[in-house]
Amino acid sequence: AQKVTQAQTEISVVEKEDVTLDCVYETRDTTYYLFWYKQPPSGELVFLIRRNSFDEQNEISGRYSWNFQKSTSSFNFTITASQVVDSAVYFCALYSPYGGSQGNLIFGKGTKLSVKP
Amino acid sequence: NAGVMQNPRHLVRRRGQEARLRCSPMKGHSHVYWYRQLPEEGLKFMVYLQKENIIDESGMPKERFSAEFPKEGPSILRIQQVVRGDSAAYFCASSPTSGSYNEQFFGPGTRLTVL
Repeated sequence: AQKVTQAQTEISVVEKEDVTLDCVYETRDTTYYLFWYKQPPSGELVFLIRRNSFDEQNEISGRYSWNFQKSTSSFNFTITASQVVDSAVYFCALYSPYGGSQGNLIFGKGTKLSVKP
Repeated sequence: NAGVMQNPRHLVRRRGQEARLRCSPMKGHSHVYWYRQLPEEGLKFMVYLQKENIIDESGMPKERFSAEFPKEGPSILRIQQVVRGDSAAYFCASSPTSGSYNEQFFGPGTRLTVL
């Protein structure tokens, strides 16, 4: 079975703090893709990153960084020097092309991040 | 290049009515996916369609829900005889090829409220 777990339901930080959002996934497939999406209060889904299972290099994009560790099946997301505009719900998702269900992104339940001024 | 378009953005229906949600994929995309987001939940896959074909409907409720993606025009998600439990945000995504390899681009969603 494939599953994505985001254990943190809500996180509240003060502006400029660093914050890490956890994502743990389960899959038996060796080829898979991991995603992070941001859902701001306006409701749309904003794509942040995609990683494939063969690329374990960590990635940094401005204040955002991602730590992919296959050994622990985790794909954590860190925001450095958080800002109020980072307040949103963040979803981690998994896709396995050979997982039987075509095109099906498996989403975690999301982590609601509140950044206070 | 316009993104994925969904309309209406908000839809209110009374119990027993029909709801029709429309999705126009990005230009050049021939694959459409529908997801449902219940309050305080993540998105759950419902159905995957290509033009005139349903590829995977494993996430669709067996009754009252149907989807189509005709040769011309938008994809339609249809909910007959809506009940309060159908209240949710319905997201459509599109991709240029099959699967999520090339990333699914999401529309802004339709928020359905059943009174």
